[in-house]
Amino acid sequence: DTGVSQNPRHKITKRGQNVTFRCDPISEHNRLYWYRQTLGQGPEFLTYFQNEAQLEKSRLLSDRFSAERPKGSFSTLEIQRTEQGDSAMYLCASSSVVAGSYNEQFFGPGTRLTVL
Amino acid sequence: AQSVTQLDSQVPVFEEAPVELRCNYSSSVSVYLFWYVQYPNQGLQLLLKYLSGSTLVESINGFEAEFNKSQTSFHLRKPSVHISDTAEYFCAVTPFSGGYQKVTFGTGTKLQVIP
Repeated sequence: DTGVSQNPRHKITKRGQNVTFRCDPISEHNRLYWYRQTLGQGPEFLTYFQNEAQLEKSRLLSDRFSAERPKGSFSTLEIQRTEQGDSAMYLCASSSVVAGSYNEQFFGPGTRLTVL
Repeated sequence: AQSVTQLDSQVPVFEEAPVELRCNYSSSVSVYLFWYVQYPNQGLQLLLKYLSGSTLVESINGFEAEFNKSQTSFHLRKPSVHISDTAEYFCAVTPFSGGYQKVTFGTGTKLQVIP
């Protein structure tokens, strides 16, 4: 078990370009979460999946953002027509599901996006 | 809804001195409480958690936190810090529930250990 991995670790793009990030969760985890962390702030929830179903989306997730988890394993987060305000660290986390219990979220190292 | 307040954005402290990082939370329901640590250019690591039972919880590297329900606080303490403790620390909460457990984070406190 290598933990949660994210690629790329860094991405620099020009305003208006599209970017896509990938997250590979811990293999037996069926929940996957995306967070955004801007400078001086804590992580903010964006969306989460249980298996391949996207069950909740934050109002922070504008129409330019889309997330998928097509086979219930890895997930992608795409940002279309990037804006400078999208510059942030994008964190992915995964957890198992045990009914009636706390399910710890394990975080990946993040993808740092810089929009010029 | 839940909210977490970390009033200190930066805390400088000399090596081997004690430190306390403050955390207060607000919630209309019972919550689980956490401290996460983030080293430079790395993701978040769970430092310790309070789920139930004893209100004093400890980590393997000497940190401890005490849940105080009346003051809605979960302050993090260490009696003697090391250079390697330099990092950003996030307090977080999630509501008791059997379903999805959304984690709400504070804004973080940067601990700077001075040699």
